Amino acid sequence: NAGVTQTPKFRVLKTGQSMTLLCAQDMNHEYMYWYRQDPGMGLRLIHYSVGEGTTAKGEVPDGYNVSRLKKQNFLLGLESAAPSQTSVYFCASSRDRVAGPGPPFFGSGTQLSVL
Amino acid sequence: DQQVKQNSPSLSVQEGRISILNCDYTNSMFDYFLWYKKYPAEGPTFLISISSIKDKNEDGRFTVFLNKSAKHLSLHIVPSQPGDSAVYFCAAAEGYTNAGKSTFGDGTTLTVKP
Repeated sequence: NAGVTQTPKFRVLKTGQSMTLLCAQDMNHEYMYWYRQDPGMGLRLIHYSVGEGTTAKGEVPDGYNVSRLKKQNFLLGLESAAPSQTSVYFCASSRDRVAGPGPPFFGSGTQLSVL
Repeated sequence: DQQVKQNSPSLSVQEGRISILNCDYTNSMFDYFLWYKKYPAEGPTFLISISSIKDKNEDGRFTVFLNKSAKHLSLHIVPSQPGDSAVYFCAAAEGYTNAGKSTFGDGTTLTVKP
């Protein structure tokens, strides 16, 4: 049981480049989330999804786009990377519609550096 | 303005003693509070939570206390073990169903010395 898997684990981009981070969960969770964590700070919610085909903005959505075409996958895209987007990105998912979302399960993170 | 604050960036305790990690919040709409534990190069792991209808919740060596009037919560670890050394994040949400949309504190690094 892999839980929440994020790919890649590390990535270096140049300013202006684009990329997509992939998150996959095998727990049949309805809800999925993308967060960023900057050094010495807590996690901040970027975007989230309450089910396949849905997305919503979180606290810090600017510069990011997301898609949830399949229930098990949640993609985070950066169209034109900026140095301010250097951060560790965490994906998470939480329980089904019957039990309610509750505390999410997190992936191990992606370290992104934008030069 | 930071709505969830962990004022101690670090804490060091001796193995077997009590660890007390503190957290303050300012938003009166928060009514569900969580603690996460994070090891280096891993994602946060949910540890324990408390709803505002309670003032205490226990799970083994971990106890969370909530003081609503002071907008303060604390995590007690007794006895502390070297494996507890990690970063602990306090988080707050408007309801259990919004746990994934919690506001996080900046974390406290706990070091438990053998």
